[in-house]
Amino acid sequence: SQKIEQNSEALNIQEGKTATLTCNYTNYSPAYLQWYRQDPGRGPVFLLLIRENEKEKRKERLKVTFDTTLKQSLFHITASQPADSATYLCALDPYSGYALNFGKGTSLLVTP
Amino acid sequence: NAGVTQTPKFQVLKTGQSMTLQCAQDMNHEYMSWYRQDPGMGLRLIHYSVGAGITDQGEVPNGYNVSRSTTEDFPLRLLSAAPSQTSVYFCATLPRGLNTGELFFGEGSRLTVL
Repeated sequence: SQKIEQNSEALNIQEGKTATLTCNYTNYSPAYLQWYRQDPGRGPVFLLLIRENEKEKRKERLKVTFDTTLKQSLFHITASQPADSATYLCALDPYSGYALNFGKGTSLLVTP
Repeated sequence: NAGVTQTPKFQVLKTGQSMTLQCAQDMNHEYMSWYRQDPGMGLRLIHYSVGAGITDQGEVPNGYNVSRSTTEDFPLRLLSAAPSQTSVYFCATLPRGLNTGELFFGEGSRLTVL
């Protein structure tokens, strides 16, 4: 069966450090992968989309890598800030181009 | 421009009652979808629509009905609520296929079934 696995344990880091979150998947052949941020009581907000032919993508302090051989994406936040504290979700399209399967998310806590 | 608007934000139902969760968007997006989010389960797709008059099932469609009579609205109906349907429901939209960009989510509707 298809699975998307994200670290279930919360990630606690100090302000200014780089946070790295992992998304592993099985039984997908994704053309792209997406990352979202979700704050408590709010809907997810899109952050980045990376395609299978892109090894790396950046947006401001965010960097995403996509290794289709390892079946893994890494999500980095450099110079992290307390405002970056949230749950981060990765998402893949299982088949049709009209659905997204989401991982359960990893909670990030950045402390001053 | 309100984006994606979900109503109600909170609802308590008794087992067996019916209700409709409303989703409206003013972005002229073709694609609309409903997800539910449960602790430890993540977001799961219930139903989706690629345009007016077209709907399809997602991963967990049982117990839910949808219709898409206009581009703007995509209501989710619970015909006979069950405690297992206690969840937070999110409506999400995007202009075209997923490979062109991101999903826009509403703020969610928190449903409790007693």
